[in-house]
Amino acid sequence: AQSVTQLDSHVSVSEGTPVLLRCNYSSSYSPSLFWYVQHPNKGLQLLLKYTSAATLVKGINGFEAEFKKSETSFHLTKPSAHMSDAAEYFCVVSEGDYGGATNKLIFGTGTLLAVQP
Amino acid sequence: GAGVSQSPSNKVTEKGKDVELRCDPISGHTALYWYRQSLGQGLEFLIYFQGNSAPDKSGLPSDRFSAERTGGSVSTLTIQRTQQEDSAVYLCASSLGRSRVLSEQYFGPGTRLTVT
Repeated sequence: AQSVTQLDSHVSVSEGTPVLLRCNYSSSYSPSLFWYVQHPNKGLQLLLKYTSAATLVKGINGFEAEFKKSETSFHLTKPSAHMSDAAEYFCVVSEGDYGGATNKLIFGTGTLLAVQP
Repeated sequence: GAGVSQSPSNKVTEKGKDVELRCDPISGHTALYWYRQSLGQGLEFLIYFQGNSAPDKSGLPSDRFSAERTGGSVSTLTIQRTQQEDSAVYLCASSLGRSRVLSEQYFGPGTRLTVT
């Protein structure tokens, strides 16, 4: 069975400081991993994805994540937070079509990022 | 180009009534997913359609929930005899296919369902 654990439900940073949102995954197969962002009253937007190519993945808006198999982690980082980064972030795992799986997404519980001026 | 669209954007219904939620996927996307986002359960998978294959209904919470996809495009999620615990945002997503390479799912804005 596959699952993701987001270690922090809330993270607060000051504008201009680094962002770290933590995620650990569990998967029987080589997973695909994603980070999605949801701004208030907006839809889900894909930030970045890992699908077994480079382990350091760059996404939109300056975010990046590193896949570490030995630690089963896929933490999201950004060097300098901006006020517009305030949103809820979801770490997501999928096993694609391995073993006949349907590529459904399994979402973490989300991390609410607050950015203080 | 046009993204995934869903209608209605908001729906308020009385307990016990049936509701239908509609999803228009991105043109050419063969895979379509329904998810539900609620305060108690977070984001959870409901059902998946891929081309003409039998749908994966493993996420449907009860037999009051059903979905169909006509002509490989538009999908309708139906909830019969709604209960208050059905209140949630229902999200639809589509992708080019189910393989790893084609796996990016694009989400619609959702339908907020409130059962009173």
